[in-house]
Amino acid sequence: GAGVSQSPSNKVTEKGKDVELRCDPISGHTALYWYRQSLGQGLEFLIYFQGNSAPDKSGLPSDRFSAERTGGSVSTLTIQRTQQEDSAVYLCASSAPGTANEAFFGQGTRLTVV
Amino acid sequence: QKEVEQDPGPLSVPEGAIVSLNCTYSNSAFQYFMWYRQYSRKGPELLMYTYSSGNKEDGRFTAQVDKSSKYISLFIRDSQPSDSATYLCAMAMQSLRYSTLTFGKGTMLLVSP
Repeated sequence: GAGVSQSPSNKVTEKGKDVELRCDPISGHTALYWYRQSLGQGLEFLIYFQGNSAPDKSGLPSDRFSAERTGGSVSTLTIQRTQQEDSAVYLCASSAPGTANEAFFGQGTRLTVV
Repeated sequence: QKEVEQDPGPLSVPEGAIVSLNCTYSNSAFQYFMWYRQYSRKGPELLMYTYSSGNKEDGRFTAQVDKSSKYISLFIRDSQPSDSATYLCAMAMQSLRYSTLTFGKGTMLLVSP
């Protein structure tokens, strides 16, 4: 695609439910990143993929959070047993090989846990 | 101390003004310095990046990096109402093969007609 695509754009879920957020990176971009942006906060790194592998998961806040990437393309971020503090905008970014400084972001998924 | 500090603003200026946005950082390993612009309810958009110290100019935008002071700036000349957005600085370490970006919290800029 022309840019990084994320779905859904908005998600409202009840506390305790599981949610899946999807990211479709730019074609040919081998690196994929998930960030979280909370109100009044900067972007918080969650996880990095190189191809289908995740060499850095250090930003995942708890074991309720997991992510996978298949075919070196689409990635899914799953949050189990959602809590109100999980409410945030979840942003996905991708970059071409050797250009980690030129990451392109999607529009984000705004998650609201009620 | 956070790795990257950025004044959240808001910074309000009249149309045509020169805008100066700044970030300070503490990690001397940062080598790449980026500025992103984020409109409300949109994802961040890369404006400029600079490697190591120095200046880089692109149209009305100039990025400056002073590694000795651990201080970076983005200047916007002839600011326009369409420049109203949140500006995020971001930094990365040496490896381009893999480097997560460390972001400031962003400065909200409001340019009034």
